[in-house]
Parts: sequence; structure tokens; C-alpha cells
Amino acid sequence: NAGVTQTPKFQVLKTGQSMTLQCAQDMNHEYMSWYRQDPGMGLRLIHYSVGAGITDQGEVPNGYNVSRSTTEDFPLRLLSAAPSQTSVYFCASGPTETNEKLFFGSGTQLSVL
Amino acid sequence: KQEVTQIPAALSVPEGENLVLNCSFTDSAIYNLQWFRQDPGKGLTSLLLIQSSQREQTSGRLNASLDKSSGRSTLYIAASQPGDSATYLCAVRPGAGSYQLTFGKGTKLSVIP
Repeated sequence: NAGVTQTPKFQVLKTGQSMTLQCAQDMNHEYMSWYRQDPGMGLRLIHYSVGAGITDQGEVPNGYNVSRSTTEDFPLRLLSAAPSQTSVYFCASGPTETNEKLFFGSGTQLSVL
Repeated sequence: KQEVTQIPAALSVPEGENLVLNCSFTDSAIYNLQWFRQDPGKGLTSLLLIQSSQREQTSGRLNASLDKSSGRSTLYIAASQPGDSATYLCAVRPGAGSYQLTFGKGTKLSVIP
């Protein structure tokens, strides 16, 4: 069982570079989301989706873009990386029924120099 | 704005002890509360989910309780083992139509053999 798969696990960028963090799930979950985890800040929601073609902003969406063309994939795009985006990024998925548990990927550690 | 607090930030106990981790939240109008476990360099694993209408949930040696009116939840771990060493996070969901979880910053548990 693959669950939620994130790639890459580690990435170093220079300020101004762009990149896409990949997230895929094989559980046919309608809900997918991206969080960032920073020391002393806890996890904060960046963007989420409740199905193909439907996305919405979370608490800290600035500097990030998302799209959802399939149920399985939910990529996160950094258009012009900034040092403030250095963080650990987690993708999570779950059924849209809100009393179900969330499943998390293993994370992407991103450093922006 | 909902705030979730977990105290203490770190806890060290000898193997075999029973222990309690605390989670408090400022807005009692929650839909559910989840307890997660995070191992170093890994993603989050959902341990227990308590619906707002429930008082507690149990899974093996874990028991989570919820007192919505006082804005508190506890995670009880019985007969702790070194393998329980991890960071434990709680997260609340505000409503049935909301997908934005608010996380606490976690309690880092060390169980000493």
C-alpha cells in the first residue's frame, strides 16, 4: 500500500527559482491538502482540494499555486522561491467525510538559499 | 481565531509508566479532534479521532478523551514503551464544512528504557 507519496524528499533551491512538489495518493480520496511545518509554528495549511478541478486557499497561500486535474495528484508549485519558504512540506489526503482520519505523506524538506 | 496549545513541549518518562499528554483549544465549537504521532523525519500518523459528540476513543494502549465545554483533550498512554518515543500533535477541525485543521505544536515524548 503506497498511501500518500511525496517527491522529492529533499530539495535545495536558490532564491527566485521555481519548482513543483509532487503528491500522489492511491486511496481514491477526494480531499487533498498541503501543509508546511516550521519550528515553533506548528503545521499550517497552504492549499487544499475537495476534488478534481476544485481548490481553495488555506492559512498561508501566498507564493504557492496548486491545481487538481486528477483525483490522484495534487502538485504544489513555488513560482519564485524565497528564503521564507524554507520549511518541511507535507501533503495529506482523506475522504471528504469530515469525521475520517487524514493520511500524511513523509514530507519534503525544502531549503531556499 | 482558534488556538491549540500542548503542554508540556517535551516529556521524558521511564519505560512502563502511564502518562497523559494535554491539548487545549480556545474555541469549543469544534467538529472533531485528532491525535497524531510524528516520528523524526517522517510524516504524521493519525492515532485517534474523536467526534464532538464523543467523550473518548480507545485504541490499544491509547485512550483519548474530549471535554469540549472546557476546551480540553488528553491522550493517555498506558505502560509506555521506548517505541512510543515520538512527537504527539493534536489538531481540531472547526466545522463540518471546513477542512482547515488547527494544529498544536506538539509534545515530544521520550520513553527511557
